[in-house]
Amino acid sequence: NAGVTQTPKFQVLKTGQSMTLQCAQDMNHNSMYWYRQDPGMGLRLIYYSASEGTTDKGEVPNGYNVSRLNKREFSLRLESAAPSQTSVYFCASSGGRGPSPLHFGNGTRLTVT
Amino acid sequence: DQQVKQNSPSLSVQEGRISILNCDYTNSMFDYFLWYKKYPAEGPTFLISISSIKDKNEDGRFTVFLNKSAKHLSLHIVPSQPGDSAVYFCAASEGDYKLSFGAGTTVTVRA
Repeated sequence: NAGVTQTPKFQVLKTGQSMTLQCAQDMNHNSMYWYRQDPGMGLRLIYYSASEGTTDKGEVPNGYNVSRLNKREFSLRLESAAPSQTSVYFCASSGGRGPSPLHFGNGTRLTVT
Repeated sequence: DQQVKQNSPSLSVQEGRISILNCDYTNSMFDYFLWYKKYPAEGPTFLISISSIKDKNEDGRFTVFLNKSAKHLSLHIVPSQPGDSAVYFCAASEGDYKLSFGAGTTVTVRA
């Protein structure tokens, strides 16, 4: 029973490098999300996908792009990493139409030097 | 500007006693509220929720209270157990897909 799986678990990038964070869920959920967690800030929504084929900006989308590859997979791309993007990134999914509890992955810890 | 605020960064409580976590919000359009629990190196896990049509919801040792007029939410854990030591996040939504989270409260349960 995997739930939400994120890869990689850890990553170190140099400023200007690019990378893609992968997320997959096996719960047949319609909605998927990317959050970042920073000390003292809680979790902030970067992008979300309410259903397959749609994506929308959240609270802090600048510097990121997303792709909802299919119903299971939702990736987050950093085109040119900056030190301000050092954070822990969480992918989540939810199954209901409208608000329902989110199921989170275990996170990707990203450091940009 | 954070719409969901948890003003106590930490809480220490003795095992067996009550833990009370507080959360305030500024957006009067929020109509669905949740609490999440997070252990180190893991993702947050859903604990309990409440919709704005209710003022209380219970699930075992966990009770959430909602005071809409005060825009205030609280989580009571009774009795507190060592396994409850974690970071607790309050979250809220306007009936759409997006949750706004507070900064979290770290609970330490002392033996």
